[in-house]
Amino acid sequence: GDSVTQMEGPVTLSEEAFLTINCTYTATGYPSLFWYVQYPGEGLQLLLKATKADDKGSNKGFEATYRKETTSFHLEKGSVQVSDSAVYFCALLTGGGNKLTFGTGTQLKVEL
Amino acid sequence: NAGVTQTPKFRILKIGQSMTLQCTQDMNHNYMYWYRQDPGMGLKLIYYSVGAGITDKGEVPNGYNVSRSTTEDFPLRLELAAPSQTSVYFCASRPGTGGYEQYFGPGTRLTVT
Repeated sequence: GDSVTQMEGPVTLSEEAFLTINCTYTATGYPSLFWYVQYPGEGLQLLLKATKADDKGSNKGFEATYRKETTSFHLEKGSVQVSDSAVYFCALLTGGGNKLTFGTGTQLKVEL
Repeated sequence: NAGVTQTPKFRILKIGQSMTLQCTQDMNHNYMYWYRQDPGMGLKLIYYSVGAGITDKGEVPNGYNVSRSTTEDFPLRLELAAPSQTSVYFCASRPGTGGYEQYFGPGTRLTVT
């Protein structure tokens, strides 16, 4: 079945450090890929998405490229801020748009 | 425009009690979803609906029921609460066309003791 594997957290970085959160997936067909962010005490918000191979999603300085050959969708940011502290979820969408499969989430802590 | 709202925010139930988690969206979205989030885990789909009067099971439907009598509302019913249902529950919605982004509510934290 479909699955998403994310690197385990927590990931602790200093402000302005470079961020990479790894995400790989297993799916049949051609899924759409997403990164969601969950700030403390809140629901999930869509951060970025990519719908086909080699697409790059970007938002708020975060980027991720849909790599079909390596079945990956790694999240990157060049310079993190304290306000980026949150849990990040990688997800893939199949099943005609109704099956969103999530990874276990990676907690990011950014310190001054 | 409030988006997706959920009530209550927190609830403690005793084993065997029942309750309904409310979810309402004001975006006229056709699709609505219920997920549960257990500690250290991703979200798992409980039930979903593609429109009023139409619901279907997700990955973990046992112990839950849903109904969809209007476009706006999608309540989740727990009939006989069990400790295994202790979790955070999220409702989400998306439009029928124009993309697959799901919009999430703030969640309901449920503890069954």
